[in-house]
Amino acid sequence: DVVLTQTPSTLSATIGQSVSISCRSSQSLLDSAGNTYLYWYLQRPGQSPQLLIYLVSNLGSGVPNRFSGSGSGTDFTLKISGVEAEDLGVYYCMQATHAPWTFGGGTKLELK
Amino acid sequence: QVQLKESGPGLMQPSETLSLTCTVSGFSLTSNGVGWVRQPLGKGLVWMGTIWAGGSTNYNSAVQSRLSISRDTSKSQVFLKMNSLQPEDTGTYYCARLGLFDYWGQGVMVTVSS
Repeated sequence: DVVLTQTPSTLSATIGQSVSISCRSSQSLLDSAGNTYLYWYLQRPGQSPQLLIYLVSNLGSGVPNRFSGSGSGTDFTLKISGVEAEDLGVYYCMQATHAPWTFGGGTKLELK
Repeated sequence: QVQLKESGPGLMQPSETLSLTCTVSGFSLTSNGVGWVRQPLGKGLVWMGTIWAGGSTNYNSAVQSRLSISRDTSKSQVFLKMNSLQPEDTGTYYCARLGLFDYWGQGVMVTVSS
C-alpha cells in the first residue's frame, strides 16, 4: 500500500501567518495517463472532512484562495497564505492513484 | 443541493454484521460513485471501499473479505455490509461522493462492544 507521510504532525500558527504542510508518498502518484490523484482535506473539530484541493493544485468549490497546493511525483505541499481562525483543524492528504486509496496521518493546525 | 446522510445502528456486538445506508440527494448514483471512509475515534481516515457510477466496486484489501458495498439507484441509497465485526471496527463511518470526495455525510458512529 502507498504510505503518505505528513509533516509536521502539529503546526502552531498565529492569525495571518503563512504555513505549509508536506505530504510525501512512498511511490510516485503520477499514473500512466499523466494524472496525479492527490487531494487535500480539512476536518474541523466535530465535523466531516471537506475538500480543499484536488489533483494536486486545483481549488475546491468555495475554497478561499489563501489555500494552494503544489508538488509532483512523491512530494506535495499545501500552503495557507494567511491563516484565519476558521482554518483550525486537522489536514489530510489522500491519494487515489494506487489501490487501496490511502490518507496521510494528518496535520493538526492550532493557534499559537 | 448535494447531500449524503448515513444511517445505521450505533452499537454492535463482536461477530455481528454491520449494515449501514447512505442516502443521497442532489445527484444521481448513475452519474457519481460513492465511497465509504472509516475514522476510529481520535484517529485518522481510512478508505474502506467504493461503488462506481457504473456499479462496479473496489475494496480496501484489509477488509475486502468482510466487506460488501451495493446500491439501489431507484432509492438513491448505497449500502455497506461488513461481517465478523471486531472492537477495532469501532469508529465513525462516512460516505462521500466521488470523483473528488467533494461532499461528505455527517458520519455515523458505530461501537463494537460486548
